[in-house]
Amino acid sequence: DAKTTQPPSMDCAEGRAANLPCNHSTISGNEYVYWYRQIHSQGPQYIIHGLKNNETNEMASLIITEDRKSSTLILPHATLRDTAVYYCIVRVDVYGGATNKLIFGTGTLLAVQP
Amino acid sequence: NAGVTQTPKFRILKIGQSMTLQCAQDMNHNYMYWYRQDPGMGLKLIYYSVGAGITDKGEVPNGYNVSRSTTEDFPLRLELAAPSQTSVYFCASSTRQGAHTEAFFGQGTRLTVV
Repeated sequence: DAKTTQPPSMDCAEGRAANLPCNHSTISGNEYVYWYRQIHSQGPQYIIHGLKNNETNEMASLIITEDRKSSTLILPHATLRDTAVYYCIVRVDVYGGATNKLIFGTGTLLAVQP
Repeated sequence: NAGVTQTPKFRILKIGQSMTLQCAQDMNHNYMYWYRQDPGMGLKLIYYSVGAGITDKGEVPNGYNVSRSTTEDFPLRLELAAPSQTSVYFCASSTRQGAHTEAFFGQGTRLTVV
């Protein structure tokens, strides 16, 4: 299984962009990068995912390097409500892609400061 | 929409007691998962299911059992509770749309074994 490495914590000023890095150097060609976040012990929430192209949605942008060995989640204008643990996950497919298991690491605790 | 519903929200068990954590989803998702999260740690996959009648072990299955008799329900059984099973338990479900899958999580069951 491809593993991910994230910094344990980061700070960001409110209103500024938050850039959360993730290393996944052993990712294979058909594995997607997913980002979830968990706000204060609630259930995790999906943010965004990508394969090799950069992606953007209403919550965030995902930048994946050309060699796919790392990615960055960008929250363009962080607010206090974005304070959470952010998980970078490489989706594991078993049974020919049927299971969609998500294996979580320890994530990055993003603290947005007023 | 109810999404993923977990019951109970809180429970205290004595060592050696048994209980079943309930999980139900109303989104007609094929895939369901059980995770546990110890304090300050990431989520660990206990068991997962790709459909009714099919289950498989995750990262930390010991001490737990599951069944999947219907698409909607995925109960998690603790037979002989131990203090090491004190944790927050999250149930999740997902479906597959092309190559993408988004997991939806319940709000968790906080279990204490004393």
